[in-house]
Amino acid sequence: AQSVTQLGSHVSVSEGALVLLRCNYSSSVPPYLFWYVQYPNQGLQLLLKYTTGATLVKGINGFEAEFKKSETSFHLTKPSAHMSDAAEYFCAVSDLGDDKIIFGKGTRLHILP
Amino acid sequence: DTGVSQDPRHKITKRGQNVTFRCDPISEHNRLYWYRQTLGQGPEFLTYFQNEAQLEKSRLLSDRFSAERPKGSFSTLEIQRTEQGDSAMYLCASSSTSTPTYEQYFGPGTRLTVT
Repeated sequence: AQSVTQLGSHVSVSEGALVLLRCNYSSSVPPYLFWYVQYPNQGLQLLLKYTTGATLVKGINGFEAEFKKSETSFHLTKPSAHMSDAAEYFCAVSDLGDDKIIFGKGTRLHILP
Repeated sequence: DTGVSQDPRHKITKRGQNVTFRCDPISEHNRLYWYRQTLGQGPEFLTYFQNEAQLEKSRLLSDRFSAERPKGSFSTLEIQRTEQGDSAMYLCASSSTSTPTYEQYFGPGTRLTVT
């Protein structure tokens, strides 16, 4: 069964520093990959997605992620953290031909002033 | 396009009571999904519809849970004889089969507290 592992349930970075949130998936076939963000008491908002083509994907709010098939990874990065980035981030995967999304457990990002 | 809406946003109920939640998808979306999110976890798939047909149900969806989408528009999720373990955020999402990646758009969720 497909699964997603997010390393670190909490990550703290200083404002202006690099944000790196790690995600690994288990699949023998490259799936669709997603990063969602959830602000307190809100639903999930899609940050970016990988389907096919270019392995470096750019999303909203300055975030990007790189699909690395050899490492089965899809890490999320942002060059310079902003206070408004404080939220919970979920990596997710969907197999080709499947309709449900499998989510990781999430990483809460804290931004230090 | 007003996005996916869910009602109510919060529900507190006593153990043993029945509750019903409603989800209104984005109007042109033909697929509708229900997920459950417990504290400290990511959302877990419960079930999904394409138009009015319920195409898949997770083993998480016990016989106390039932979902409907009678006219292929809004959907309801009912939980009978609620238990404390049902306390969670219930998320609804919708998508369109005309979008090749089946990108899902989420509503704000209904937070259920069973006392």
